[in-house]
Amino acid sequence: AQKITQTQPGMFVQEKEAVTLDCTYDTSDQSYGLFWYKQPSSGEMIFLIYQGSYDEQNATEGRYSLNFQKARKSANLVISASQLGDSAMYFCAMREGGNFNKFYFGSGTKLNVKP
Amino acid sequence: SAVISQKPSRDICQRGTSLTIQCQVDSQVTMMFWYRQQPGQSLTLIATANQGSEATYESGFVIDKFPISRPNLTFSTLTVSNMSPEDSSIYLCSVVFPSGLNTATNEKLFFGSGTQLSVL
Repeated sequence: AQKITQTQPGMFVQEKEAVTLDCTYDTSDQSYGLFWYKQPSSGEMIFLIYQGSYDEQNATEGRYSLNFQKARKSANLVISASQLGDSAMYFCAMREGGNFNKFYFGSGTKLNVKP
Repeated sequence: SAVISQKPSRDICQRGTSLTIQCQVDSQVTMMFWYRQQPGQSLTLIATANQGSEATYESGFVIDKFPISRPNLTFSTLTVSNMSPEDSSIYLCSVVFPSGLNTATNEKLFFGSGTQLSVL
């Protein structure tokens, strides 16, 4: 089974609008970490936000927030007030406490922000 | 935050040749990994670079094709050997910095700028 599932290959959003990128995960570990990365067309991978499995509050980093629903095993990324520079690939990733040598990545979502 | 320098940033190579990619970090790290990202795909872990010992390869990747060195805690190389067009990908060095905490799951993975490899 896939450890990380991103079901949206591509998304469009109007500039200044909010957008939610979906991510579901599969683990039997109690301790795990969830991450989101942004990959612009230049190819670099940029860390955006982290959520720990024991964190009671949703993580926020500026315009990024993570909608963490543990029972549903979902960790959706919310980008508020989209900007043209947000156009990029976005990857969800997970690290399990039982095997912290590995980071599992989803297939990614291509976000296009329209002016 | 620390700087991860990866070079070359891009290269165009002939079939049958080899390319060595370097990854230099300006502080000591606990883990270093090499990923491959084929066009339009997600990241695939090639191997974990172990300091002072042989790298740990993932299924589908072998040392003869992707030899890796890690002589110290701040430097690693990945060689793509006997290249074919199927090796055309982005290769990414990534590291984990020690958090100093008991839990490891919050340690983030940081990436170098990547090497865009095209094999003709």
